[in-house]
Amino acid sequence: EAQVTQNPRYLITVTGKKLTVTCSQNMNHEYMSWYRQDPGLGLRQIYYSMNVEVTDKGDVPEGYKVSRKEKRNFPLILESPSPNQTSLYFCASSPLGRNYGYTFGSGTRLTVV
Amino acid sequence: RKEVEQDPGPFNVPEGATVAFNCTYSNSASQSFFWYRQDCRKEPKLLMSVYSSGNEDGRFTAQLNRASQYISLLIRDSKLSDSATYLCVVNGNRAGKSTFGDGTTLTVKP
Repeated sequence: EAQVTQNPRYLITVTGKKLTVTCSQNMNHEYMSWYRQDPGLGLRQIYYSMNVEVTDKGDVPEGYKVSRKEKRNFPLILESPSPNQTSLYFCASSPLGRNYGYTFGSGTRLTVV
Repeated sequence: RKEVEQDPGPFNVPEGATVAFNCTYSNSASQSFFWYRQDCRKEPKLLMSVYSSGNEDGRFTAQLNRASQYISLLIRDSKLSDSATYLCVVNGNRAGKSTFGDGTTLTVKP
């Protein structure tokens, strides 16, 4: 089944403890992206990647890192999480080309206490 | 001003009604446009792309007006199952960069 898989689905952590949210897609898509969704603020793009080793900042990259060493994987790294990073996170992927939208993973609900 | 703006609603309509949502965007260099649907904090799902000539998929019709920089979504013969939040998405001229509107909430009532 074609899909974007994120793990974990739920995570509660403490301020300052490094964490990684994994994202993997099995559709051989070139583009991958991370979004966070907060009440009243909608979905905001954190980072995106056009292909292996090519990444760019989205609208809210502060406090996050990404890497794209393989085409299928695009992990999101929070080196020192803070409570304002408590949010619902979505990973997404898309094939190359303007008329293709993103396919989203099921989301990761992160709480930083 | 936000890059992509939508009327948040909520829109409450009876079954069978026709409802339309609009979305405006500020970047005239935007390349492609989409409508997504999101149910109850689940992942957004692509509903349809929006083409310059307009396009239709069953009860759903999407239009793009580049001169006025807005896109629209028309839903005919609304069903209870259409109740969701509808998100418009605009892709800029940087490959992979996508900006979402905040969404319009639709509730279809019996």
